[in-house]
Amino acid sequence: GAGVSQSPSNKVTEKGKDVELRCDPISGHTALYWYRQSLGQGLEFLIYFQGNSAPDKSGLPSDRFSAERTGGSVSTLTIQRTQQEDSAVYLCASSLFQGSSGNTIYFGEGSWLTVV
Amino acid sequence: KQEVTQIPAALSVPEGENLVLNCSFTDSAIYNLQWFRQDPGKGLTSLLLIQSSQREQTSGRLNASLDKSSGRSTLYIAASQPGDSATYLCAPRGNNRLAFGKGNQVVVIP
Repeated sequence: GAGVSQSPSNKVTEKGKDVELRCDPISGHTALYWYRQSLGQGLEFLIYFQGNSAPDKSGLPSDRFSAERTGGSVSTLTIQRTQQEDSAVYLCASSLFQGSSGNTIYFGEGSWLTVV
Repeated sequence: KQEVTQIPAALSVPEGENLVLNCSFTDSAIYNLQWFRQDPGKGLTSLLLIQSSQREQTSGRLNASLDKSSGRSTLYIAASQPGDSATYLCAPRGNNRLAFGKGNQVVVIP
Protein backbone atom coordinates (compact mmCIF):
# COMPACT_ATOMS: atom_id res chain seq x y z
CA GLY A 1 0.00 0.00 0.00
CA ALA A 2 0.91 3.66 -0.16
CA GLY A 3 1.57 4.00 3.56
CA VAL A 4 1.68 2.10 6.82
CA SER A 5 -1.80 0.83 7.58
CA GLN A 6 -3.02 0.03 11.11
CA SER A 7 -6.22 -1.54 12.36
CA PRO A 8 -8.38 -1.08 14.25
CA SER A 9 -8.08 2.70 14.36
CA ASN A 10 -10.01 2.73 17.65
CA LYS A 11 -10.64 -0.02 20.17
CA VAL A 12 -12.49 0.07 23.47
CA THR A 13 -12.09 -3.07 25.55
CA GLU A 14 -12.94 -4.22 29.02
CA LYS A 15 -10.21 -4.72 31.57
CA GLY A 16 -8.96 -8.29 31.47
CA LYS A 17 -9.77 -8.94 27.82
CA ASP A 18 -7.14 -9.64 25.16
CA VAL A 19 -6.65 -7.34 22.17
CA GLU A 20 -4.86 -7.67 18.86
CA LEU A 21 -3.56 -4.72 16.91
CA ARG A 22 -2.54 -5.12 13.29
CA CYS A 23 0.09 -3.34 11.21
CA ASP A 24 0.55 -3.58 7.46
CA PRO A 25 3.88 -1.91 6.55
CA ILE A 26 4.83 -0.24 3.32
CA SER A 27 5.45 -2.85 0.64
CA GLY A 28 9.09 -3.89 0.54
CA HIS A 29 9.95 -2.51 3.97
CA THR A 30 11.80 -5.16 5.95
CA ALA A 31 12.16 -3.19 9.19
CA LEU A 32 9.07 -2.76 11.34
CA TYR A 33 8.68 -0.99 14.70
CA TRP A 34 5.99 -0.72 17.36
CA TYR A 35 5.77 2.32 19.64
CA ARG A 36 3.32 3.38 22.31
CA GLN A 37 2.24 6.94 23.07
CA SER A 38 0.40 7.55 26.32
CA LEU A 39 -1.46 10.77 27.02
CA GLY A 40 1.01 13.60 27.52
CA GLN A 41 4.01 11.33 27.14
CA GLY A 42 6.62 10.84 24.48
CA LEU A 43 6.72 7.85 22.19
CA GLU A 44 7.94 4.71 23.91
CA PHE A 45 9.72 2.00 21.90
CA LEU A 46 8.21 -1.47 22.20
CA ILE A 47 9.75 -3.83 19.63
CA TYR A 48 11.69 -3.93 16.37
CA PHE A 49 11.44 -6.55 13.61
CA GLN A 50 13.89 -7.22 10.82
CA GLY A 51 12.02 -9.53 8.48
CA ASN A 52 10.18 -12.03 10.66
CA SER A 53 12.62 -11.97 13.55
CA ALA A 54 12.61 -9.57 16.47
CA PRO A 55 16.22 -8.80 17.44
CA ASP A 56 15.07 -6.14 19.90
CA LYS A 57 12.01 -6.66 22.05
CA SER A 58 13.46 -4.89 25.04
CA GLY A 59 10.71 -2.25 25.13
CA LEU A 60 7.81 -4.61 25.77
CA PRO A 61 6.58 -3.51 29.21
CA SER A 62 5.49 -6.92 30.52
CA ASP A 63 4.95 -10.52 29.48
CA ARG A 64 1.34 -9.63 28.71
CA PHE A 65 2.66 -7.97 25.55
CA SER A 66 3.79 -9.98 22.54
CA ALA A 67 4.21 -9.38 18.84
CA GLU A 68 4.77 -11.44 15.76
CA ARG A 69 5.41 -10.84 12.12
CA THR A 70 4.66 -13.29 9.35
CA GLY A 71 5.81 -13.40 5.75
CA GLY A 72 8.06 -10.42 6.37
CA SER A 73 5.02 -8.20 6.13
CA VAL A 74 2.02 -7.91 8.47
CA SER A 75 2.66 -7.67 12.20
CA THR A 76 0.29 -8.24 15.11
CA LEU A 77 0.76 -6.79 18.59
CA THR A 78 -1.16 -8.73 21.22
CA ILE A 79 -1.95 -7.48 24.71
CA GLN A 80 -3.30 -10.12 27.07
CA ARG A 81 -5.42 -9.42 30.15
CA THR A 82 -5.53 -5.70 29.40
CA GLN A 83 -5.15 -3.18 32.22
CA GLN A 84 -6.24 0.45 32.34
CA GLU A 85 -2.63 1.60 32.13
CA ASP A 86 -2.44 -0.05 28.70
CA SER A 87 -4.70 2.71 27.33
CA ALA A 88 -2.61 4.55 24.74
CA VAL A 89 -2.04 5.02 21.05
CA TYR A 90 -0.06 2.17 19.55
CA LEU A 91 1.93 3.32 16.54
CA CYS A 92 3.55 1.12 13.94
CA ALA A 93 6.35 2.24 11.64
CA SER A 94 8.39 0.72 8.84
CA SER A 95 11.49 1.40 6.80
CA LEU A 96 13.75 -0.21 4.26
CA PHE A 97 16.32 -2.58 5.70
CA GLN A 98 17.84 -1.56 9.03
CA GLY A 99 21.43 -1.88 7.89
CA SER A 100 21.56 1.44 6.05
CA SER A 101 21.70 4.57 8.12
CA GLY A 102 19.87 6.66 5.58
CA ASN A 103 16.41 5.16 5.57
CA THR A 104 13.43 7.26 6.52
CA ILE A 105 11.06 5.64 9.01
CA TYR A 106 7.36 6.04 8.18
CA PHE A 107 4.57 5.86 10.74
CA GLY A 108 0.96 4.76 10.51
CA GLU A 109 -1.99 6.64 11.98
CA GLY A 110 -2.03 4.51 15.10
CA SER A 111 -4.49 2.32 16.96
CA TRP A 112 -6.18 4.14 19.84
CA LEU A 113 -6.77 1.67 22.68
CA THR A 114 -9.01 2.46 25.63
CA VAL A 115 -9.33 -0.05 28.46
CA VAL A 116 -12.40 0.50 30.65
CA LYS B 1 19.53 5.24 27.37
CA GLN B 2 19.04 8.10 24.92
CA GLU B 3 17.24 11.10 26.48
CA VAL B 4 15.71 13.71 24.19
CA THR B 5 14.70 17.20 25.32
CA GLN B 6 12.83 19.70 23.19
CA ILE B 7 12.64 23.37 24.06
CA PRO B 8 10.34 25.22 24.17
CA ALA B 9 7.63 22.72 25.07
CA ALA B 10 4.99 25.02 23.62
CA LEU B 11 4.96 28.29 21.74
CA SER B 12 2.55 30.57 19.92
CA VAL B 13 3.65 32.91 17.17
CA PRO B 14 1.87 35.27 14.78
CA GLU B 15 1.64 34.18 11.19
CA GLY B 16 4.69 35.13 9.14
CA GLU B 17 7.23 34.82 11.95
CA ASN B 18 10.09 32.35 11.69
CA LEU B 19 10.04 29.38 14.06
CA VAL B 20 13.08 27.97 15.83
CA LEU B 21 12.62 24.62 17.56
CA ASN B 22 15.45 23.15 19.61
CA CYS B 23 16.26 19.53 20.33
CA SER B 24 19.02 18.10 22.50
CA PHE B 25 19.99 14.46 23.04
CA THR B 26 22.37 12.80 25.44
CA ASP B 27 23.99 10.06 23.34
CA SER B 28 25.85 11.36 20.29
CA ALA B 29 26.34 7.86 18.84
CA ILE B 30 23.49 8.15 16.37
CA TYR B 31 23.03 7.04 12.77
CA ASN B 32 20.73 9.86 11.78
CA LEU B 33 18.03 12.17 13.13
CA GLN B 34 14.49 12.63 11.88
CA TRP B 35 12.10 15.49 12.46
CA PHE B 36 8.41 14.62 12.48
CA ARG B 37 5.16 16.52 12.66
CA GLN B 38 2.16 15.21 14.59
CA ASP B 39 -1.31 16.69 14.25
CA PRO B 40 -3.87 16.06 17.02
CA GLY B 41 -5.27 12.55 16.84
CA LYS B 42 -2.96 11.60 13.99
CA GLY B 43 0.19 9.63 13.40
CA LEU B 44 3.64 11.05 12.68
CA THR B 45 4.58 12.63 9.35
CA SER B 46 8.27 12.62 8.47
CA LEU B 47 9.59 16.08 7.60
CA LEU B 48 13.34 15.73 7.28
CA LEU B 49 16.06 13.16 7.81
CA ILE B 50 19.64 14.26 8.53
CA GLN B 51 22.41 11.71 8.26
CA SER B 52 24.95 11.70 11.09
CA SER B 53 27.61 12.93 8.62
CA GLN B 54 25.50 15.90 7.53
CA ARG B 55 25.26 19.34 9.11
CA GLU B 56 21.90 20.37 7.70
CA GLN B 57 19.02 19.40 5.47
CA THR B 58 16.45 21.59 3.73
CA SER B 59 12.97 21.01 2.37
CA GLY B 60 10.98 24.02 1.23
CA ARG B 61 10.47 26.36 4.19
CA LEU B 62 12.03 23.84 6.56
CA ASN B 63 15.69 23.67 7.46
CA ALA B 64 17.15 21.35 10.06
CA SER B 65 20.69 21.50 11.44
CA LEU B 66 22.58 18.82 13.32
CA ASP B 67 25.56 19.15 15.64
CA LYS B 68 26.08 15.53 16.50
CA SER B 69 29.08 16.02 18.79
CA SER B 70 27.21 18.41 21.05
CA GLY B 71 23.93 16.48 20.81
CA ARG B 72 21.85 19.24 19.29
CA SER B 73 19.50 19.73 16.37
CA THR B 74 17.43 22.75 15.40
CA LEU B 75 14.43 22.94 13.11
CA TYR B 76 13.80 26.27 11.42
CA ILE B 77 10.46 27.00 9.79
CA ALA B 78 10.46 30.16 7.70
CA ALA B 79 7.45 32.45 7.31
CA SER B 80 5.14 30.38 9.49
CA GLN B 81 1.56 29.70 8.42
CA PRO B 82 -1.51 28.62 10.43
CA GLY B 83 -1.21 25.21 8.76
CA ASP B 84 2.14 24.76 10.52
CA SER B 85 0.30 24.44 13.84
CA ALA B 86 1.20 20.98 15.17
CA THR B 87 3.56 19.18 17.53
CA TYR B 88 7.08 18.75 16.18
CA LEU B 89 9.16 15.79 17.31
CA CYS B 90 12.85 15.19 16.86
CA ALA B 91 14.03 11.61 16.91
CA PRO B 92 17.70 10.61 16.94
CA ARG B 93 18.22 7.08 15.70
CA GLY B 94 20.47 4.66 17.52
CA ASN B 95 20.58 0.87 17.35
CA ASN B 96 17.21 -0.53 16.33
CA ARG B 97 15.13 2.44 17.31
CA LEU B 98 14.29 6.12 17.26
CA ALA B 99 14.23 7.94 20.59
CA PHE B 100 11.62 10.63 21.17
CA GLY B 101 11.11 13.59 23.47
CA LYS B 102 7.77 15.18 24.21
CA GLY B 103 7.92 17.57 21.28
CA ASN B 104 7.47 21.26 20.58
CA GLN B 105 3.77 22.19 20.44
CA VAL B 106 3.39 25.06 17.98
CA VAL B 107 0.41 27.34 17.39
CA VAL B 108 0.59 29.86 14.54
CA ILE B 109 -1.93 32.63 15.03
CA PRO B 110 -3.55 34.02 11.86
